[in-house]
Amino acid sequence: GAVVSQHPSRVICKSGTSVKIECRSLDFQATTMFWYRQFPKQSLMLMATSNEGSKATYEQGVEKDKFLINHASLTLSTLTVTSAHPEDSSFYICSATAGFDEQFFGPGTRLTVL
Amino acid sequence: GEDVEQSLFLSVREGDSSVINCTYTDSSSTYLYWYKQEPGAGLQLLTYIFSNMDMKQDQRLTVLLNKKDKHLSLRIADTQTGDSAIYFCAEGSNDYKLSFGAGTTVTVRA
Repeated sequence: GAVVSQHPSRVICKSGTSVKIECRSLDFQATTMFWYRQFPKQSLMLMATSNEGSKATYEQGVEKDKFLINHASLTLSTLTVTSAHPEDSSFYICSATAGFDEQFFGPGTRLTVL
Repeated sequence: GEDVEQSLFLSVREGDSSVINCTYTDSSSTYLYWYKQEPGAGLQLLTYIFSNMDMKQDQRLTVLLNKKDKHLSLRIADTQTGDSAIYFCAEGSNDYKLSFGAGTTVTVRA
């Protein structure tokens, strides 16, 4: 199957700093990428849908100014958590689709904000 | 979003069959999925079924779909210790958005 990578896999940062997470589709062109957030022992919550070359569509309750999404190419989307706070600590997972049935998920990024 | 519900825990003895159940509410769902998540890792697609199918079998995995009751199940035959993980069911439609259940933690005991 297709491969989606995320970088970094783990990041620890100080409160008030910004953190960028990259999501790459390695062997296919992703027309759409999704960003999810997962709290411990809970389900994945969709944060936003990102289409290449256009603005991301955010789910209700997700602050677009706090979670900046850029989908600059068909193989790369980035999520920047701005002015991170401890409550932003979570597991962030991206997925990508080439417009077929299946979404391919990245391995996730564990963010810890001190 | 749409509601997807599943039981939270399942304990099964090695070699027995595991059955994980899921219910959903969106009658316009096009696809229904089962994903596996191991500790600290992303999601791995196990199998999926189109909403116009009743059953799909793939090696040790059998998916049953009762569209009338909006009930989906995943049966794992001959459960092994490597099957210990969290299993998520998800429903999707043509806009590619997925709604996930809370996940069922499957523990395989010797």
